[in-house]
Amino acid sequence: DAGVIQSPRHEVTEMGQEVTLRCKPISGHNSLFWYRQTMMRGLELLIYFNNNVPIDDSGMPEDRFSAKMPNASFSTLKIQPSEPRDSAVYFCASSLDDGTDTQYFGPGTRLTVL
Amino acid sequence: DQQVKQNSPSLSVQEGRISILNCDYTNSMFDYFLWYKKYPAEGPTFLISISSIKDKNEDGRFTVFLNKSAKHLSLHIVPSQPGDSAVYFCAASGRGLTGGGNKLTFGTGTQLKVEL
Repeated sequence: DAGVIQSPRHEVTEMGQEVTLRCKPISGHNSLFWYRQTMMRGLELLIYFNNNVPIDDSGMPEDRFSAKMPNASFSTLKIQPSEPRDSAVYFCASSLDDGTDTQYFGPGTRLTVL
Repeated sequence: DQQVKQNSPSLSVQEGRISILNCDYTNSMFDYFLWYKKYPAEGPTFLISISSIKDKNEDGRFTVFLNKSAKHLSLHIVPSQPGDSAVYFCAASGRGLTGGGNKLTFGTGTQLKVEL
């Protein structure tokens, strides 16, 4: 099993540019989560999907952030326009709704906005 | 409002001794708790979990204790090994919460360092 796959692993961009982060969940998992990790706030849930449908996006910081899940094997998190305060590590996780609530995380994307 | 709190940002323990990592929560609707371990440049990995119907769960060197009345849980690692050095996150979920499902709320993490 390949696990959760994220790309790119590192992204450096300039303020104002559009950034797209990608995630491939574990095959067969029906929930997908996007998190942001910062020193101050730890792991924050941004949005999660169940069966490709967004369930809770209350953690999305503002309209500059958007996420899609066009099918069960792919999701994107887009930031447009990016700002220096968006610099963080972004994780994608997936899970199977089997009652254990265990989520499996990808390796993360380290985003730096200059 | 931080619903899951890990008040110790770091902990240092000698190899072979016990490591105790603590976590407090405020939402009484949480009914499932998990611990994750995270190495640098990697994603968090699941370590151990406990349901609110139990007060203890053990897996090898790792034991999680839950005190529902105090809204407190702890992770014990015995004996601690240098490879256990990592950031440990406590997480909680609640099926009764609106939109809960399998959504997790994480603490801010505790950096454990196991010294030789």
